[in-house]
Amino acid sequence: QVQLLESGPGLVKPSQTLSLTCTVSGASINSDGYYWSWIRQHPDKGLEWIGHIQNSGSTYYVPSLRSRVTISVDASNNQFSLSLDSVTAADTALYFCARATFEQQLTDWGQGTLVTVSS
Amino acid sequence: EIVLTQSPGTLSLSPGDRASLSCRASQGVNNNYLAWYQQKPGQAPRLLIYGASSRATGIPDRFSGSGSGTDFTLTINRLEPEDFAVYHCQQYGTSPSTFGGGTKVEVK
Repeated sequence: QVQLLESGPGLVKPSQTLSLTCTVSGASINSDGYYWSWIRQHPDKGLEWIGHIQNSGSTYYVPSLRSRVTISVDASNNQFSLSLDSVTAADTALYFCARATFEQQLTDWGQGTLVTVSS
Repeated sequence: EIVLTQSPGTLSLSPGDRASLSCRASQGVNNNYLAWYQQKPGQAPRLLIYGASSRATGIPDRFSGSGSGTDFTLTINRLEPEDFAVYHCQQYGTSPSTFGGGTKVEVK
């Protein structure tokens, strides 16, 4: 059974970079046919898909964040990461990592980690 | 990008009732790649339905999905106490994937 666990700072200052890591257990991040994804949820709001990466290194990001976001893989540690530059209060949210199938439905989720942007 | 509109925003029902949740897309969802997720307070979303009508592993058969094109429905027959939660739809047929705003099913 695959498990995902987000980690990273819970507080980030405005204009700095938000960096989160998702550690995967129970499955290899090198397996073909999966998309390793990041989704966020603003307080009391709906879900926002951020982007994903495949084991090939191929990425896709939502256009509204494309200029500020990078998703990368660390296969040696079975982890993938999210980096979001130049954050503002609008980036305060609960951040989830998840695994999607080749069709891209999100079958497995981490528990989420709250990131607050504040000075 | 495809905008998903979920209605109603809140549904007030009693255990044993049937719930009918709507998800309408601003344009056709390719291959009917429409999923439904259940989210309880303090928890991650859980996949219920994918491909508009296929139940995910371990999901009880009281949950069913239907629809195609731009109009989709999640039906929950005989609501159980554990079914009171927020439900999100997601389209993944066109990049970027997008979610609806959610429907909260609450106890009447």
